[in-house]
Amino acid sequence: KAGVTQTPRYLIKTRGQQVTLSCSPISGHRSVSWYQQTPGQGLQFLFEYFSETQRNKGNFPGRFSGRQFSNSRSEMNVSTLELGDSALYLCASGFMNTEAFFGQGTRLTVV
Amino acid sequence: GQQLNQSPQSMFIQEGEDVSMNCTSSSIFNTWLWYKQDPGEGPVLLIALYKAGELTSNGRLTAQFGITRKDSFLNISASIPSDVGIYFCAGQDSGGSNYKLTFGKGTLLTVNP
Repeated sequence: KAGVTQTPRYLIKTRGQQVTLSCSPISGHRSVSWYQQTPGQGLQFLFEYFSETQRNKGNFPGRFSGRQFSNSRSEMNVSTLELGDSALYLCASGFMNTEAFFGQGTRLTVV
Repeated sequence: GQQLNQSPQSMFIQEGEDVSMNCTSSSIFNTWLWYKQDPGEGPVLLIALYKAGELTSNGRLTAQFGITRKDSFLNISASIPSDVGIYFCAGQDSGGSNYKLTFGKGTLLTVNP
């Protein structure tokens, strides 16, 4: 069974630009959640989607948004990028109330 | 918001030694999870705990869900070089989504062969 797939693995963007990251969950998993990982703040919850609906949202500004498609694939978007948005963005998928399984992440660098 | 205090922050041990790390919370959690992360990779689930007092093993790893539901520990026995990495605890709060996890800051484990 394929794991959680995130694309792209690496990304370099300029301040002010926007970026879209993609996550394909494990087959059969309907929940997708997103986390931001930085050296200073650690792993922080961004939001979670289940059956195309956002169920939970973390404490991040409105520049961070996401969506989930009918095939459970998810995208997250960050608009008006700031230097502080540089981070490893991790996607996790799960089935019902089982454990969350993470992808390899997308390393975003904002210059 | 909720805080998870994970300790120690780092450990440097000799191959073959046992290791213990723990997490404490100011709030009750329904689920405790332990993950390991290698550089440049996503966290890999090691052990999941669902009941207060539960003790679960996965090979050389043993973890326990504290009776108060506010703490958990992870033990690694007979460490080997491939145990090197960052270990994270994560808690899921009661009434919330399983996928809204609160993470500790991690324990960096170095194993000297």
